[in-house]
Amino acid sequence: NAGVTQTPKFQVLKTGQSMTLQCAQDMNHEYMSWYRQDPGMGLRLIHYSVGAGITDQGEVPNGYNVSRSTTEDFPLRLLSAAPSQTSVYFCASSYYPSGGAELFFGEGSRLTVL
Amino acid sequence: AQRVTQPEKLLSVFKGAPVELKCNYSYSGSPELFWYVQYSRQRLQLLLRHISRESIKGFTADLNKGETSFHLKKPFAQEEDSAMYYCALRDDMRFGAGTRLTVKP
Repeated sequence: NAGVTQTPKFQVLKTGQSMTLQCAQDMNHEYMSWYRQDPGMGLRLIHYSVGAGITDQGEVPNGYNVSRSTTEDFPLRLLSAAPSQTSVYFCASSYYPSGGAELFFGEGSRLTVL
Repeated sequence: AQRVTQPEKLLSVFKGAPVELKCNYSYSGSPELFWYVQYSRQRLQLLLRHISRESIKGFTADLNKGETSFHLKKPFAQEEDSAMYYCALRDDMRFGAGTRLTVKP
């Protein structure tokens, strides 16, 4: 099992450009989520999904879109990148969102917006 | 509103000394709390969860509902414990700001 796979690992964008961060998991997890990690701010939840076709907003959803067409994939889209979106992004998945289930994380994607 | 507070951004101890990483939470219901750890060049991973009442790598954490705390403790720190530690709270897995622990030789 590869677990949670994120691509790309590194990306540099110019302000206003768009891009998609890919996330895939091969553990048949229903729950998937995206976090951003910033110094002094910890991990902040951007969007999450409890199953295919179902998504919801987290703490900091503005500027990001998601969709969940399959159980395996949960891409994160930046429609018009801003310098404030410079961060490290983590995708995570879990068997279900409650009951003490463990979150499994990807390796992270470091995004720089100039 | 849900909130997780880790008051110390940085914590430094000597090898063999006790260590306590603080976590306070705000939650109206019955909380589920976790500690996650990120070692250098490794993925974030679960360290322990309060419902398991387990000890992992010598670490323990007790839920204190009266003080709304879930502090992580280890009696004798090791150099390999140096890492970033995050406290997290259900329902939407809200994380604290993290504490970077450095264990000096």
